[in-house]
Amino acid sequence: SQQGEEDPQALSIQEGENATMNCSYKTSINNLQWYRQNSGRGLVHLILIRSNEREKHSGRLRVTLDTSKKSSSLLITASRAADTASYFCATDGMDTGRRALTFGSGTRLQVQP
Amino acid sequence: NAGVTQTPKFQVLKTGQSMTLQCAQDMNHEYMSWYRQDPGMGLRLIHYSVGAGITDQGEVPNGYNVSRSTTEDFPLRLLSAAPSQTSVYFCASSYSGGENTIYFGEGSWLTVV
Repeated sequence: SQQGEEDPQALSIQEGENATMNCSYKTSINNLQWYRQNSGRGLVHLILIRSNEREKHSGRLRVTLDTSKKSSSLLITASRAADTASYFCATDGMDTGRRALTFGSGTRLQVQP
Repeated sequence: NAGVTQTPKFQVLKTGQSMTLQCAQDMNHEYMSWYRQDPGMGLRLIHYSVGAGITDQGEVPNGYNVSRSTTEDFPLRLLSAAPSQTSVYFCASSYSGGENTIYFGEGSWLTVV
């Protein structure tokens, strides 16, 4: 079963605008991670936020985590055409007992030049 | 570093045929896993391994076998291919310690006709 669900499924913005993607999950987690996937490529790790953290920054990326609502958001500021990709949240669940993440269905981001 | 290497990149199979997707990593990671990605869905875990000689099932293991004879290699075998196994397959690896950041291969596109 899918743990993380992203919203929106697709997002189209102009270069320079900010892009916000949301993720909801169902069970308790150790951490939540965001990955990026360019078309036809593998996933690349972007940023990780631990369950005891509320906000984290990395360059133009800002991630928030609300464990009470079981939700996270990824903000990409000042977007560029090169940010066009699919973005996935993934949870490292406390109940899985294994070292494998559970992925959401992703948000397809299109940044128009 | 090569990271996680998957072969083949593309494969067309006839229903009932068998084949093996190869995966190798050169980062000395203990954990390796196989995911499949279908349109509009996130990644679903097929099988995973926490070390040489140890494997276990993920969410969607039916129709697939794995083995882990070395730390570096984690092949995925399709026993009798079915059209429902048409998908993109990703191999991944991670450290046993740390926060479970996963490194992905570039994917294998499999079509079963």
